[in-house]
Amino acid sequence: GAGVSQSPRYKVAKRGQDVALRCDPISGHVSLFWYQQALGQGPEFLTYFQNEAQLDKSGLPSDRFFAERPEGSVSTLKIQRTQQEDSAVYLCASSPGTARDTQYFGPGTRLTVL
Amino acid sequence: AQSVTQLDSHVSVSEGTPVLLRCNYSSSYSPSLFWYVQHPNKGLQLLLKYTSAATLVKGINGFEAEFKKSETSFHLTKPSAHMSDAAEYFCVVSGYTSGTYKYIFGTGTRLKVLA
Repeated sequence: GAGVSQSPRYKVAKRGQDVALRCDPISGHVSLFWYQQALGQGPEFLTYFQNEAQLDKSGLPSDRFFAERPEGSVSTLKIQRTQQEDSAVYLCASSPGTARDTQYFGPGTRLTVL
Repeated sequence: AQSVTQLDSHVSVSEGTPVLLRCNYSSSYSPSLFWYVQHPNKGLQLLLKYTSAATLVKGINGFEAEFKKSETSFHLTKPSAHMSDAAEYFCVVSGYTSGTYKYIFGTGTRLKVLA
């Protein structure tokens, strides 16, 4: 079956622009996660949804970052007024049950802010 | 609090020789532990996971890991490296913090396989 997909795969933005990154989880998966992976680092947790409820957003680095999952399926991570330090790979993962279950990752979106 | 330390940022082995990637963890609770592999421009792929059953866990592509509570370690091994094993490997602990379970990643080990 289809895995987790993300779009776009690559995004170049000028500093100050808003961007929206999309994640399509595995069909039927309850939980959805967003991570930020800086160059040469391990992924870092940003936020977690269980169905449409955002249960944890403790990893969002600033109020410029916003995530939603309105119908409990597709999710969008939005970054407003992008800064150079936002340049990273943004990974989405989904799991069939709770946050304790195995997570399945998408290929990521590489964001470059000029 | 949970944390994970990957002791080597880079490991080089010759094709056909054993692989050892080291990981130590810290967890206040009984942890779930994972190893993921990341090939260039590809998503993270699960190699194996430990969830308090057998301490020796077998994964895909001939990899295995042993959970040692006394040493707080979860090292990844493979008897014979293949060229296709060259990639970045991440050790992950799933722990309960700030009200939910979270994945906490190590900083990764880049495995190089020499012909």
